[in-house]
Amino acid sequence: DTEVTQTPKHLVMGMTNKKSLKCEQHMGHRAMYWYKQKAKKPPELMFVYSYEKLSINESVPSRFSPECPNSSLLNLHLHALQPEDSALYLCASSQANLISTGELFFGEGSRLTVL
Amino acid sequence: GESVGLHLPTLSVQEGDNSIINCAYSNSASDYFIWYKQESGKGPQFIIDIRSNMDKRQGQRVTVLLNKTVKHLSLQIAATQPGDSAVYFCAEISMDSNYQLIWGAGTKLIIKP
Repeated sequence: DTEVTQTPKHLVMGMTNKKSLKCEQHMGHRAMYWYKQKAKKPPELMFVYSYEKLSINESVPSRFSPECPNSSLLNLHLHALQPEDSALYLCASSQANLISTGELFFGEGSRLTVL
Repeated sequence: GESVGLHLPTLSVQEGDNSIINCAYSNSASDYFIWYKQESGKGPQFIIDIRSNMDKRQGQRVTVLLNKTVKHLSLQIAATQPGDSAVYFCAEISMDSNYQLIWGAGTKLIIKP
């Protein structure tokens, strides 16, 4: 079983909706990540939080808004999405920076469909 | 920019045989390489890693080989089992990537009974 929990597992939303994806880890990891994955493609990095501060934003459109309320939680707020935003959204965590260990712990993802 | 690529998008292997999944990378400055396994409906899972000062590293039934001369990485899985069916991604880390993972395209491993 994964130690990174993501909810919901599936989400269908219209282009005018506002929804949130949630992620939780209790491994004491201080880095947390959001990735987007399209079918048959590798994950694409969206955001990195390090010690609860946003450290990397890979030029993600503002309709995606990350939030890290505490060291165990990571949210991704969604608003006015487009159908092309439909994808699997993966949350991950790591002990520290990746040059120390390249091991990311991934959740099972939230499959998002935008109608 | 730099990229990590794979030679074969799909690999079919007989159960019990050894599997070899290959990966080419283009950034000679990359100093850390990782293999991930992604089963259907799950997130990627770390398998094994190797630093650029090594050319071989072994785990349980898996071996990673690094050839820096030709910028090539491979993952060998011994005695392939049905549970090995998955997509395998290689990834690299370097200062150029801000110490984030640069992922290869992935290879789907299919196990034939």
